[in-house]
Amino acid sequence: KAGVTQTPRYLIKTRGQQVTLSCSPISGHRSVSWYQQTPGQGLQFLFEYFSETQRNKGNFPGRFSGRQFSNSRSEMNVSTLELGDSALYLCASSLAGSGGAGETQYFGPGTRLLVL
Amino acid sequence: AQSVTQLGSHVSVSEGALVLLRCNYSSSVPPYLFWYVQYPNQGLQLLLKYTSAATLVKGINGFEAEFKKSETSFHLTKPSAHMSDAAEYFCAVSGNNAGNMLTFGGGTRLMVKP
Repeated sequence: KAGVTQTPRYLIKTRGQQVTLSCSPISGHRSVSWYQQTPGQGLQFLFEYFSETQRNKGNFPGRFSGRQFSNSRSEMNVSTLELGDSALYLCASSLAGSGGAGETQYFGPGTRLLVL
Repeated sequence: AQSVTQLGSHVSVSEGALVLLRCNYSSSVPPYLFWYVQYPNQGLQLLLKYTSAATLVKGINGFEAEFKKSETSFHLTKPSAHMSDAAEYFCAVSGNNAGNMLTFGGGTRLMVKP
């Protein structure tokens, strides 16, 4: 099976712009989660989508949003970019049975976003 | 709220020496615990996970971890380090009605000296 894929792998934007990142989960996986990784804050949970619905959300401002399509692919959007949004954005997928707790999450390679 | 503490942001060992990476968790209910490894410019790869089936969990690449409820710990060990083990290691916890959201520790960068 193909793993989790994320596009693009690298992105450079300027402050104030918006950006959309894409994630394709492992075939058959219905849950997609997004995480932000920075040197200062480490790995932080953004949100999780299951069956096209946001099931869980981390403590990020409303500029960060996401969605999931019927084929389980997911996108996340960041509007009005700030310098502090520079990070590696990781997507993870899981089967999502039984509410998801304890399930293994499989991570993609990430999208590295640089905001200038 | 759940939390994870990894003692030591950097650990250096010689090739062939024991690897011990420490992880302590805080959770009000029996947790699910994970160790992930991240190589440069890559995503996270699961090493092993604890889901209450057995307290000693064996993972890939010769790693194992022991769940100790009394110490709220889930330390990662490997008897003999290889150069290829140099990477960053993350301990994570999920559960407690938060779906499969992972709460990560700050990470430990393992360096292996020849």
